[in-house]
Parts: sequence; C-alpha cells; structure tokens
Amino acid sequence: GAVVSQHPSWVICKSGTSVKIECRSLDFQATTMFWYRQFPKQSLMLMATSNEGSKATYEQGVEKDKFLINHASLTLSTLTVTSAHPEDSSFYICSAQTAYGYTFGSGTRLTVV
Amino acid sequence: GESVGLHLPTLSVQEGDNSIINCAYSNSASDYFIWYKQESGKGPQFIIDIRSNMDKRQGQRVTVLLNKTVKHLSLQIAATQPGDSAVYFCAEARVAQKLVFGQGTRLTINP
Repeated sequence: GAVVSQHPSWVICKSGTSVKIECRSLDFQATTMFWYRQFPKQSLMLMATSNEGSKATYEQGVEKDKFLINHASLTLSTLTVTSAHPEDSSFYICSAQTAYGYTFGSGTRLTVV
Repeated sequence: GESVGLHLPTLSVQEGDNSIINCAYSNSASDYFIWYKQESGKGPQFIIDIRSNMDKRQGQRVTVLLNKTVKHLSLQIAATQPGDSAVYFCAEARVAQKLVFGQGTRLTINP
C-alpha cells in the first residue's frame, strides 16, 4: 500500500533556530500533501495543503512565513519551522492524498527549548 | 469554521464488550468519512471509511454507521480487546479534499 516516510521522528532544538521535517512518498506520487499539528490531548489541526509545483494553501491563523512548506517534487514535501519557540513544540504529521484515500506519516515530535 | 465533534471524550469498556464511539459533523457537504485510531506518539491509523451514499459499512470487528439526516457517525468495535486501547478520531471531507478531524475519544479497556 501507499507509504509515507516522515523524518525525523523526534527533534529537540534551541529557541530561535529552524527545523525541517520531511515527508516522502515511497511507492507512489503524492500530488497533494497535508500538514497537521497536534498538541497533547488534542485533535489534529490542519495547517496547510501543499500541491506539487505550486504555493501551499495555509489555514486561517497559520503563519505562512513561520511554517515554510515546499513541495518541489511528487515524492517529497517539507515543512520548515523557522525561528522556533517553545510554543511551537508539538507533534507534526503529514498526510498524502492517494487514489484510495489518505495515508499518514508517523509524525515528528518537536521540542523547542 | 466548520468542525467535526465527538460526544464523549473518554470511553471505558470491559474487555470482550462492544464499544460504540460517536461523532457529530457539521458540514453537510461532506461526502467522505473516515475513522482513525491513534496510539501514543504515532500517526493516525486507518480503520474504516464510508461514503455518503452508504449508511453502513462493516470491516473486521468494526462497523461504521452514517446518519446523514442528523449528521452523525458512529464506530462500533465488537469484542473489544486490550489492543484496541487508543484515541479514536472521526474525520470528514469532500472527496479528494482536506480532512477535518474531530476532537477524539480515548478508549480504555478494563480487564
């Protein structure tokens, strides 16, 4: 089946630095990738939708200059959290749209100290 | 904005009993619904889905019921096992568009 590989699975960074999270579709081409954020004991909140070769569409309230999304190829989408602060600490999950529905990455636990 | 909500944030059941998790959705234009299971520190795991032209769909030990009249979705798990302990989310979408997730229900199994 369709598999999305997400890396890293966890990362700790210092406040003010940037962190890049990668999601790769391993056996299919992902035209559309969704990025979610999940705080403890809460649901997944959609941050943005990225389409290969075009600018990402951000949900209301999500800062596009802080959460940079790149979807330059059909198998790779990246989310860069720029100038990270402790309040950005969260679980970030990508999801690719497939012919059969949606498939999710395993998530990245970001801790900003 | 529109959202998908759940009636119960937690559910505790005896091992071997059936579990029923409920979900209310607000977007009447949604035509695709999915139930996911999420274990701690992991991404959502697909359980079962249903399209709006159906009102019931069965899988292995799971059944999803859709009532479009009252915009209600439920997940039934038969003979609940310890491995079923997790948080369950419903999600809704228009086909091939973004998924909106509900609040989640934590299912715990009593031995």
